[in-house]
Amino acid sequence: QSVLTQPPSVSGAPGQTVTISCTGTSSNLGSIYDAHWYQQLPGRPPKLLIYGNVNRPSGVPDRFSGSKSGPSASLAITGLQAEDEADYYCQSSDSSLSGFVFGTGTKVIVL
Amino acid sequence: QIRLQPSGPGLVKPSQTLSLTCAVSGDSVSSKTVGWNWIRQAPSSGLEWLGRTYFLSEWHYEYALSVKGRITINPDTSRNQFSLQLTSVTHEDTAVYYCVRGHTWHLGWYFDIWGRGTPVTVSS
Repeated sequence: QSVLTQPPSVSGAPGQTVTISCTGTSSNLGSIYDAHWYQQLPGRPPKLLIYGNVNRPSGVPDRFSGSKSGPSASLAITGLQAEDEADYYCQSSDSSLSGFVFGTGTKVIVL
Repeated sequence: QIRLQPSGPGLVKPSQTLSLTCAVSGDSVSSKTVGWNWIRQAPSSGLEWLGRTYFLSEWHYEYALSVKGRITINPDTSRNQFSLQLTSVTHEDTAVYYCVRGHTWHLGWYFDIWGRGTPVTVSS
């Protein structure tokens, strides 16, 4: 079950900036735990995009950036490109569930 | 290059046991800063973490509350792989199952290496 809340979809024209929010609770993002983000292209496994709130793995373009404040985290995509059209998920650890939780997922639509 | 290669049947009958295996190459299941996870995704749905095993002085096992009592994840160090068993399956267990490497990060973990998904259908 998804414990972290994301908007179902966001959209933008090529070149624009879109931001995806991820809201948690006091047992996950509102606690000591960081946010991590994944991109899932159609028919593909998720791919790590951001870890530890703000860090990009090698090979991830710097158009993708993350931030966190309190129980909420955000993923920003600047200079939106057609290839960015995908589903995006946030993820954190959760002390009450003693495991890991994902967001509800956000579909990014490039107009 | 680290790769996770899953294998197992794509069709399971209701009330039976779902069994999948994930072969690891480029890393060791006994590595100390990583864990070996199963995550699933029901049709047109989000991601659900099921459980993991990791080695830190001894083997540890952690399972999601939603499947606790039905799930077993085991490492096989001789073959460098890990497995998933989910008993008493129902149609709600129909999903794409991913084997995934988790990496420790300060006070949390993230998932950095994903195997290709294995679609599993529960049907008679």
